[in-house]
Amino acid sequence: RKEVEQDPGPFNVPEGATVAFNCTYSNSASQSFFWYRQDCRKEPKLLMSVYSSGNEDGRFTAQLNRASQYISLLIRDSKLSDSATYLCVVNKPSGSARQLTFGSGTQLTVLP
Amino acid sequence: DAGITQSPRYKITETGRQVTLMCHQTWSHSYMFWYRQDLGHGLRLIYYSAAADITDKGEVPDGYVVSRSKTENFPLTLESATRSQTSVYFCASTTSGSEQYFGPGTRLTVT
Repeated sequence: RKEVEQDPGPFNVPEGATVAFNCTYSNSASQSFFWYRQDCRKEPKLLMSVYSSGNEDGRFTAQLNRASQYISLLIRDSKLSDSATYLCVVNKPSGSARQLTFGSGTQLTVLP
Repeated sequence: DAGITQSPRYKITETGRQVTLMCHQTWSHSYMFWYRQDLGHGLRLIYYSAAADITDKGEVPDGYVVSRSKTENFPLTLESATRSQTSVYFCASTTSGSEQYFGPGTRLTVT
């Protein structure tokens, strides 16, 4: 089983749609969770951290379910500029080297 | 604010050759990382470093060597390049927090 699993998509949605991505992780000791965004042929960049109580940043809402080891990202009112690959990221709980484990990513295309 | 840079951005080399990918960051971050990204595998950690002169293996270290004599530099060397090492290589850094900042990547092709 992969440490972090995501539906690879692709998700093709019209502008203005709401889309949700899901992710599961295998290590119950993980403490830090993130969503990164990666545009085509570019480096990954942090989109948002995911907190236990859930958090929102504009049109983006992230939620964490520790019992199910499940993370989600909801994008409302999709824009063309949201087209990218979204990476679910979880810390490796062992050691202090700030290691992260990246999911393979979910590809989103927002259509005009 | 230069941030984190990688060079070269593109490299074509032949099987068996040694090649070094450079990574430089201007933030004085303690931690630095090398990843490779391939279709179907996502980002996989090759090596990481917690500080100057401290390095350790990641998930896929075979065929790679790293060094970190200065905090700001973290070169990655392929001692004898193989076709399976054709990939996009990303360097990243972080300080005490968990967010990692990535360089623009190096696209390496081994023929």
